[in-house]
Amino acid sequence: KNEVEQSPQNLTAQEGEFITINCSYSVGISALHWLQQHPGGGIVSLFMLSSGKKKHGRLIATINIQEKHSSLHITASHPRDSAVYICAVRSSNYQLIWGAGTKLIIKP
Amino acid sequence: NAGVTQTPKFQVLKTGQSMTLQCAQDMNHNSMYWYRQDPGMGLRLIYYSASEGTTDKGEVPNGYNVSRLNKREFSLRLESAAPSQTSVYFCASSLSGRGGNGYTFGSGTRLTVV
Repeated sequence: KNEVEQSPQNLTAQEGEFITINCSYSVGISALHWLQQHPGGGIVSLFMLSSGKKKHGRLIATINIQEKHSSLHITASHPRDSAVYICAVRSSNYQLIWGAGTKLIIKP
Repeated sequence: NAGVTQTPKFQVLKTGQSMTLQCAQDMNHNSMYWYRQDPGMGLRLIYYSASEGTTDKGEVPNGYNVSRLNKREFSLRLESAAPSQTSVYFCASSLSGRGGNGYTFGSGTRLTVV
């Protein structure tokens, strides 16, 4: 069993829909990261969370430390949100454990 | 405003050849990392450098060496390339090893070993 699991693996939705991507982990962590990988391959950090909730534009990330679960939400989704979204947890300094990613496609 | 710059973007090697992937950051970050990304798998850490002058093995260091040349530059060397090293390689940096301000990634190097 992977230490970081994301669901769904693939998600296709219509423009405007509310999107939720989930991340569950089985190790103790000091922080959780959400990243976005564009179709061209570039990777961008979206959020770093150790508790609670963060919001940036249409993106919202939440974490429940007790349940070892995090969610990434996208409101009013747009085709330009199409990307792979990656969850990674930091269990110790310098070492991140990565999920396999969720491929999101938003159709116009 | 370059962030993390990786070169080359693409490379094809023959088995047994050597090469060095270059990475430089201009954000005065202390920590730098090399990852590889294989289809259907998460990124795997090859080596990291917590600060200038130090390097440490990550999850998959075999077949690779690194050099933290100065604070800005962190290179990855394949001494004798093997087909199993065909992958996309990403360099990243963070202000500290705790990644408190997040990570900045280079655009990747797509390496094929034939």
